[in-house]
Amino acid sequence: DGGITQSPKYLFRKEGQNVTLSCEQNLNHDAMYWYRQDPGQGLRLIYYSQIVNDFQKGDIAEGYSVSREKKESFPLTVTSAQKNPTAFYLCATRTGEGELFFGEGSRLTVL
Amino acid sequence: AQSVTQLGSHVSVSEGALVLLRCNYSSSVPPYLFWYVQYPNQGLQLLLKYTTGATLVKGINGFEAEFKKSETSFHLTKPSAHMSDAAEYFCAVSRSSGYSTLTFGKGTMLLVSP
Repeated sequence: DGGITQSPKYLFRKEGQNVTLSCEQNLNHDAMYWYRQDPGQGLRLIYYSQIVNDFQKGDIAEGYSVSREKKESFPLTVTSAQKNPTAFYLCATRTGEGELFFGEGSRLTVL
Repeated sequence: AQSVTQLGSHVSVSEGALVLLRCNYSSSVPPYLFWYVQYPNQGLQLLLKYTTGATLVKGINGFEAEFKKSETSFHLTKPSAHMSDAAEYFCAVSRSSGYSTLTFGKGTMLLVSP
């Protein structure tokens, strides 16, 4: 079945460490997105990519980095520069009709 | 610029009662509007969307929403709540022309009591 796979589902990291969250899709969608979710804050856009080898910053890109080397993959790196990285991270693709299709999310906890 | 306001971070209803979740948007051009539902520790699932055409849109699980341009609203309703409707609901807006990302509201948690 077509879908989005995010891994790992749960991740713990020590302060000062970089971590990479994986997002893989087999929906053949061009556009991919990363959102951060905090309680009571809704979803905030970190980065998005409309095509391979191109991506744009969202509203809260500081402390994060991405790459888009393949259409199917859009990994997100949470760097040590991100001051408050504990959150739920959601990857999504955009359908031809404009809506987003989401993965199951990755929960990052900084110890 | 576009924005979404969801009135009420929590809404409580009894099973069988009407569900009404409020969403107002701001957009400089005609909008596309969406409602998503999220269960704990899961991703978001599309409930329904408005793009063009009929202003009353029906979605999954008996939900519907009406686009009211004059009120800049897109409220979500369901005639009779079920225990399984307890979840967090997000309204989102994007522009209808050109490329546009989705902007989400802060969400409304729906609590359903027996």
